[in-house]
Amino acid sequence: EIVMTQSPATLSVSPGERATLSCRASQTASSYLAWYQQKPGQAPRLLIYGASTRATDIPARFSGSGSGTEFTLTISSLQSEDFAVYYCQQYNQWPLTFGQGTKVEIK
Amino acid sequence: EVQLVESGGGLVQPGGSLRLSCDASGFTFNSYEMNWVRQAPGKGLEWVSYISIRATSIYYADSVKGRFTMSRDNAKNSVYLQMNGLRIEDTAVYYCVRDPTHFQHWGQGTLVTVSS
Repeated sequence: EIVMTQSPATLSVSPGERATLSCRASQTASSYLAWYQQKPGQAPRLLIYGASTRATDIPARFSGSGSGTEFTLTISSLQSEDFAVYYCQQYNQWPLTFGQGTKVEIK
Repeated sequence: EVQLVESGGGLVQPGGSLRLSCDASGFTFNSYEMNWVRQAPGKGLEWVSYISIRATSIYYADSVKGRFTMSRDNAKNSVYLQMNGLRIEDTAVYYCVRDPTHFQHWGQGTLVTVSS
């Protein structure tokens, strides 16, 4: 199976600053990579699919890049509602696998 | 509006069984593949199972293979997860999710607690 590794585990950022989250796959995921945001007590929310395509109603401050084994989620200017846990997920092959998550917290 | 409503969670002893249900509405159910994803308390997300539109293809995570069975009833707009031989490590919120590979639509989840 493809193992997804996210870094860092926790990212401390001030509102208005840029946040860069990384996701590495143990073997190629091609561009079959999604990013999710999850807040406490809520189901995850799809942000990005196809490595770089924003999902419906996702603000332009969220962008994804990468292919193969290295992927990045960038939040250009953090808003208060963006403090949450973020997961990457590959869907290049079964089983589908998620990273362990990056918590973005207020600095 | 797409709605996915899970039910059937609860407290069960190790070795016991539960059947989760997911009732879907707001879309043409028999045109969509479905999945179950779970999340242990305070932990990350884990894909559990997938079912194709006519249930001709069903996949499972290794961690549940041979113990869990996913099914669907297109006439009732529902998917199910029969969970047998439950283990403490199966304790999690179980989410019903639409679509085959990446997930725009999630239910609110149902909590399964395996404990003696």
